[in-house]
Amino acid sequence: NAGVTQTPKFRVLKTGQSMTLLCAQDMNHEYMYWYRQDPGMGLRLIHYSVGEGTTAKGEVPDGYNVSRLKKQNFLLGLESAAPSQTSVYFCASSFRWALRLRANVLTFGAGSRLTVL
Amino acid sequence: AQKVTQAQTEISVVEKEDVTLDCVYETRDTTYYLFWYKQPPSGELVFLIRRNSFDEQNEISGRYSWNFQKSTSSFNFTITASQVVDSAVYFCALSEGLRSGNTPLVFGKGTRLSVIA
Repeated sequence: NAGVTQTPKFRVLKTGQSMTLLCAQDMNHEYMYWYRQDPGMGLRLIHYSVGEGTTAKGEVPDGYNVSRLKKQNFLLGLESAAPSQTSVYFCASSFRWALRLRANVLTFGAGSRLTVL
Repeated sequence: AQKVTQAQTEISVVEKEDVTLDCVYETRDTTYYLFWYKQPPSGELVFLIRRNSFDEQNEISGRYSWNFQKSTSSFNFTITASQVVDSAVYFCALSEGLRSGNTPLVFGKGTRLSVIA
C-alpha cells in the first residue's frame, strides 16, 4: 500500500507564482486534510474535506484554495505565492468520523517542502 | 475552542533515562479524543496512540506509557529507558466530538526530544 502520496516533494517558487500540491490516497478514506508545519508552530490546519465536492476552511485558509473532485485526491492550490507560505505541507487522510474505532486516526503523507522567494 | 499546550519546547536526556512529555488540553466538549504523534528526523508523522474522553485508564505499550487525567486536563507521555531512536519531535493533538462527528485534529506545537548516547 502506498498510503498517502504527495507531489511534489520539493518546490521553489518566486513571489506571485502559482502552483498546486497534489495528494493521493489509496486507503478509501473519506476525509482528507492539508496541514502546514512551521518551526515552533506545530501543525496548523489549512483546509479539509469530508467527501467529494466538499471542502471546509481550517485555521489558516487565507491564500490557499482546495478541490476534491475525486475521493482519492485532494489538491491544494496557491494562486499567488507569498514568502509567508514558505513551509512544509502535509496531507493526511482518515476514515469518516462516525467510525468510532478509527475516529480521526490520521495517516500522513511524507510532506512537501515549499520555498517562496 | 479547542487548544493543546505542550509547554516543553525541547528536552534533552541521556540514554536510558526516563522522560515525560507534557500535554495540557482545553475543550468545552465532554466527548473528545486525544492523540500523540511522533515525527523522527526523517520527517514523517507516525501515529502513536488515540484515547477517548470516556476512558481514563493509563496505557502502556512497551517502553511507552500514557497518563490521562481529566481532572487536570492532561495527557502526558512517558518513555522509559530512553533510546537514541526515540529522538524526535512529539506532537499531542485533540479532536472534539460533536453530535454529527468529530472536529479535525488540533495539534500542540510539539516537543523536540533529544536522546544522547
